[in-house]
This record gives sequence, structure tokens and C-alpha cells, in this order.
Amino acid sequence: EPEVTQTPSHQVTQMGQEVILRCVPISNHLYFYWYRQILGQKVEFLVSFYNNEISEKSEIFDDQFSVERPDGSNFTLKIRSTKLEDSAMYFCASRQEIWDTQYFGPGTRLTVL
Amino acid sequence: QQQVKQSPQSLIVQKGGISIINCAYENTAFDYFPWYQQFPGKGPALLIAIRPDVSEKKEGRFTISFNKSAKQFSLHIMDSQPGDSATYFCAASKNNAGNMLTFGGGTRLMVKP
Repeated sequence: EPEVTQTPSHQVTQMGQEVILRCVPISNHLYFYWYRQILGQKVEFLVSFYNNEISEKSEIFDDQFSVERPDGSNFTLKIRSTKLEDSAMYFCASRQEIWDTQYFGPGTRLTVL
Repeated sequence: QQQVKQSPQSLIVQKGGISIINCAYENTAFDYFPWYQQFPGKGPALLIAIRPDVSEKKEGRFTISFNKSAKQFSLHIMDSQPGDSATYFCAASKNNAGNMLTFGGGTRLMVKP
């Protein structure tokens, strides 16, 4: 069964450093998402992406965040200057059609020291 | 108005019992209501979902009951098993290009053998 994959599984970085989290959505999916989950808390929406542009973004997704689909398979989330409070699990999700379910990847655990 | 409220935060059920988790929403524009199951260290996985044109949907041991007028929906797990022990999240979304999922706070379910 096709699945969303994410790399790395765990990223440790120093405060102020840039990180890029990578996702490979399911191949025929058209809509892409990033969510985050701070330890023990609920999953929070960051951004949605369709047709090579951002469709919607939350208040969390400020100027320090950016997304890109550099080729036909990868979808990336960049955090330019990480803060301690960016430490969380970051989940990528994708869906095929507007009525379809969002399928989540296994997540990248980001630890900012 | 974007909130989805979920209760209880934690639930302990004996094997074979019925687990019931409730959610309430405010935004009447929501028209898709999925439930996700999450095991520790994993991404959320779709369990079952419902649209507001039906009041109930059943898949195996899992049933969603939906009350549009009350803006509430619930997950029933019949014959609960220890393998069902996980965190369950309700969510809601609108049918638009962004289609972001708004998650409830989660319920940690423990099924005792």
C-alpha cells in the first residue's frame, strides 16, 4: 500500500540553525500538508499546498517557515532560524482529491537545543 | 470558532467493553469528520470518517455517530481490545482547497486485558 515517507526520523539542531524536513507524498496525490505535534499535545495545522502554491496557512506558519516542492516527488518544510519552541513532531500529509482523506507520514522529531 | 473539543482526555476500558469518545465543533462550515488513531512514535492513521449527510457510519467494531443539530459526533469502539490502546483524535475540515484538518485534543485509551 502506498504511504507517505519522511526523512529524517529525528533531527537535532542548535537554536538559530536552519533545518529542512523532507517528505515524499503518495505519488498520485495533489494536495500536501504539514502539521506539527508538540509532545503530549494535539496535532496542529501548519500549511497546505496545492498547484505549487500555499492554499492556507496557520498563525504558527510565520516568516521563519517555508515550503517547497522542488521536484515531482519531494515536499519540504524549511525552518530558517529554529527556536526552542519549534521542538515537536512534524507530520507531512497528502491527499489525492479534495474529497479524499489525508494520509499522514510517520513524522520527523525535531529537537532544538 | 475553529475549535474541536474532545472528551474525555483519557479512558480506561476493560477488554470486551465499549469505548466512547465524544467531540463537539462550532464551525457549521465543517463537512468532513474523520477519526485518527495514533500509536506512540507514529503518525495519525485514519480510522473512520463521516460526512454530515448521514447520522451513523459503521466499519467493523468502529462506529461514528453524528448529530448535526447538536454539532457533536462520537466514536464507539465495540468489543474493545488491548490492541486498541492508543490515542484517538477527532478532526474536522471544510471542503476547500486548503482543507486543513482541525484536531481535537485527543483521548488516550487504555484497554485492560
